[in-house]
Amino acid sequence: DTAVSQTPKYLVTQMGNDKSIKCEQNLGHDTMYWYKQDSKKFLKIMFSYNNKELIINETVPNRFSPKSPDKAHLNLHINSLELGDSAVYFCASSQVWEMNTEAFFGQGTRLTVV
Amino acid sequence: AQSVTQLGSHVSVSEGALVLLRCNYSSSVPPYLFWYVQYPNQGLQLLLKYTTGATLVKGINGFEAEFKKSETSFHLTKPSAHMSDAAEYFCAVTSYGNNRLAFGKGNQVVVIP
Repeated sequence: DTAVSQTPKYLVTQMGNDKSIKCEQNLGHDTMYWYKQDSKKFLKIMFSYNNKELIINETVPNRFSPKSPDKAHLNLHINSLELGDSAVYFCASSQVWEMNTEAFFGQGTRLTVV
Repeated sequence: AQSVTQLGSHVSVSEGALVLLRCNYSSSVPPYLFWYVQYPNQGLQLLLKYTTGATLVKGINGFEAEFKKSETSFHLTKPSAHMSDAAEYFCAVTSYGNNRLAFGKGNQVVVIP
C-alpha cells in the first residue's frame, strides 16, 4: 500500500483552465503539506494542514486553494492556470505538526501548462 | 528565517569512490537537519536526520552525516558509491515548534562506472 498517494501523476492542460490534484495518506498522520518543486528542482512549501485546519499558507497566489475534507486527504485546486504554474507538486504528511518527525512524500504530480 | 546551502548542483563520482555532499545551514535556534533522496520520477525519501543527541547520524543505504555546530554544517557521506546512488539529494532544516522544512537546492549525483 502506498503511504502517500497523489493523482494524477501527470497533468497537461491549457492556460486558463482549472484543475485539481488529489492527495491521500493512509499513515494516520495529523499533518499534511503541499510543496512545489520548480524546474531547477527547488522545493518550497505552499500549504500545511493539521487536523483539517490550515496552519501554513505561504505567499501563494489565491488561485491556489487547498481543501482538506478529512485529515487523510488534502487536495489542491488551481484556478486560471498560468504557464508559470508548471512544476512538480508534492504532497507530504507527518505524524505531528512539528517537522522533526519524518515527512513522507508522495510521488509528485508533474503539471505542465501549455 | 532558516535556510540551507548546497553547493555544486551536479556532483560526479566514480563507482566505489567516496560520496561527499556538503550542506551548510543558517538557523538562529538549534536546528533539526535532514537529508532526503529523490530518485527519478519519484517522491522524496528520508535518508537520515539529526534532531538531538549523537552528532554522527547513520542512515539508510550506507549514508551518514555529521552535525557540526561550530561549522554550521551537516555534510553527507558514503564511503563507496554504487550505481544505484544516482539521484537528487536534498538537505533540509527545521527546528522545534516549526512545521516547515526549508530545503536546499539539491545535488544531482551522477555515478560513473
